[in-house]
Formats: sequence, structure tokens, C-alpha cells
Amino acid sequence: AQSVTQPDIHITVSEGASLELRCNYSYGATPYLFWYVQSPGQGLQLLLKYFSGDTLVQGIKGFEAEFKRSQSSFNLRKPSVHWSDAAEYFCAVGAQGGGADGLTFGKGTHLIIQP
Amino acid sequence: NAGVTQTPKFQVLKTGQSMTLQCAQDMNHNSMYWYRQDPGMGLRLIYYSASEGTTDKGEVPNGYNVSRLNKREFSLRLESAAPSQTSVYFCASSESPGPNSPLHFGNGTRLTVT
Repeated sequence: AQSVTQPDIHITVSEGASLELRCNYSYGATPYLFWYVQSPGQGLQLLLKYFSGDTLVQGIKGFEAEFKRSQSSFNLRKPSVHWSDAAEYFCAVGAQGGGADGLTFGKGTHLIIQP
Repeated sequence: NAGVTQTPKFQVLKTGQSMTLQCAQDMNHNSMYWYRQDPGMGLRLIYYSASEGTTDKGEVPNGYNVSRLNKREFSLRLESAAPSQTSVYFCASSESPGPNSPLHFGNGTRLTVT
């Protein structure tokens, strides 16, 4: 079975600074990978996804993520954060060919933006 | 453009009471899901419905039942609520079953069981 680790529970960055959120997965083959964002009081919204092909994927709100097979990682990046990026971020992994119950979420990283 | 709608938004129950959480989607999606979110635990799948007429257990189904009423609606029932079921519950839908079909989430129901 696949698993996801988000090593950082909380991250604090200054507004305008760059951001990288870490995600490591465990899966024997090429996985489906996702990043979701959850603003306070809201449900999760899909930021970006990786299925195959180009390992650098672009998402909404200026986010990007890079799939690195050798490191089993799918880190999320943004060059310059805005106060509105303060939220909880979840990485998720799914098995190709898996069923509807095949998505595993990480425990989340809480992003705090300092003015 | 409503997407996934959950009712109620908040609920307080006493131990042993029952209730049903409602979920409806207007995207003509085939698959629907119920997750619970607890601090430090991420999201855990309770039940899912890959298509209309089918339901299956997820990771944490004990104490819950579900009904896929039609293609649009998927309800979650707590027959006898326990404090361990205090959580935020999210309904989600996807166009097709399988992890390659991104999930669309509702805004959640915050449930407290005293």
C-alpha cells in the first residue's frame, strides 16, 4: 500500500518570500500525485496533479511541483507567497489502476505567512 | 455553480443520539466519498460510492452507515454517536472512481459529540 509523509507540520514564511513544502511518498510504481489546499473553514481544493510526462507541473495560484522519482518526492513550490496563501496544504498519492478508495492523504502542513 | 453542498455546517449531539449528514453534488459525477478530518491525522476515508447503486467501506467505517440515494446525493448516518466521532466531515465527488480522477470537496460539517 502507498503512504505519504509531509515532514513539516507547520511552516512560517514572510510575505514575498519563496516557499517549498515537502512531500515524500512510498509506492512501488509511478504514482498519481496531488496537492490540495484547505483555507480556514473550507473544503479542500485541488492545486495541481501529476500523472505522467513532464516532471514539473504547474497549478493554480502560481504554485508548481516537481516529481523526483529518485527521491520519492513531490515538493510544492511558489516563488513569492501572498498573505492569502496561509492555509493547510495536503499532499496525496494514488496507485495507478487503484480503485475509488485508492487515494492516501498526508497529514498536512500548516502554512503561516508573516507580514 | 454550487459544486458539492453539505448540510448542516455545524452540529452538536449528545452521546447516543443519531443524525444524518447530507451531501449533494451538481456536477454529474459518478463517484462520491465521505472523509473525516481530525487534527494531526489528515483525511481518512469512511465510505465511498464508486457509482450509483454501490457503496463500500473505507479506512474507518465503524459506527457509520451510508446511502447513495441517487446520482446526486450521498448521505452519512451516525446511528449512536460517540465522542470519538467528534470531527469535521467532508463529502467529495469525482467524475469517475479511481485516484486519477481529482476530488471536489464540500465545505464540511463540524460535528461535536458530548
